[in-house]
Amino acid sequence: DQQVKQNSPSLSVQEGRISILNCDYTNSMFDYFLWYKKYPAEGPTFLISISSIKDKNEDGRFTVFLNKSAKHLSLHIVPSQPGDSAVYFCAARVNFGNEKLTFGTGTRLTIIP
Amino acid sequence: NAGVTQTPKFQVLKTGQSMTLQCAQDMNHNSMYWYRQDPGMGLRLIYYSASEGTTDKGEVPNGYNVSRLNKREFSLRLESAAPSQTSVYFCASSAAPAGSYEQYFGPGTRLTVT
Repeated sequence: DQQVKQNSPSLSVQEGRISILNCDYTNSMFDYFLWYKKYPAEGPTFLISISSIKDKNEDGRFTVFLNKSAKHLSLHIVPSQPGDSAVYFCAARVNFGNEKLTFGTGTRLTIIP
Repeated sequence: NAGVTQTPKFQVLKTGQSMTLQCAQDMNHNSMYWYRQDPGMGLRLIYYSASEGTTDKGEVPNGYNVSRLNKREFSLRLESAAPSQTSVYFCASSAAPAGSYEQYFGPGTRLTVT
């Protein structure tokens, strides 16, 4: 049972526009959410996170929004740049003190120059 | 500061052969993890270790064994490789549970079992 779902395998966005990547989850015990970015032949790198006590977190061009009632989070990238082309994974953690993360299947973002 | 390192980068095995994937981190992290990534499946946790001397099963542990040799090193062993274990393997570490839950990943090992 996929507890963290990224229903869009791919997304193409024009350079300079907004990229919106979506993630849905089913486990109401998730209390911390993260986004990772992965380039080919490299390991994933941490991008941004959000605690379940917040509904928004910003870091430069990246903003993550959390809608707990809908069990939905999204990553906004504004403005999109060619270097943002990568695979993006969302991940979630159950309960305070739990070291494990559950990852989604990823969305491949392509920024069109 | 090397972060998380993995060896080897590539490996081809025949069915039934054994091998050990090595992982080391220099960030003084408590927790270490092994994942596999397959097309359309995301990252699936094989085993993890919350501290030196402890290991726990993840989502897909069958066919694998692990050793947390010390705080820095966490190895993954395939005793009898099968074609279903063809995958990209990532090691990661984090400061959890005492610190941040963000995980830092190594560059991966691409394993092919024929």
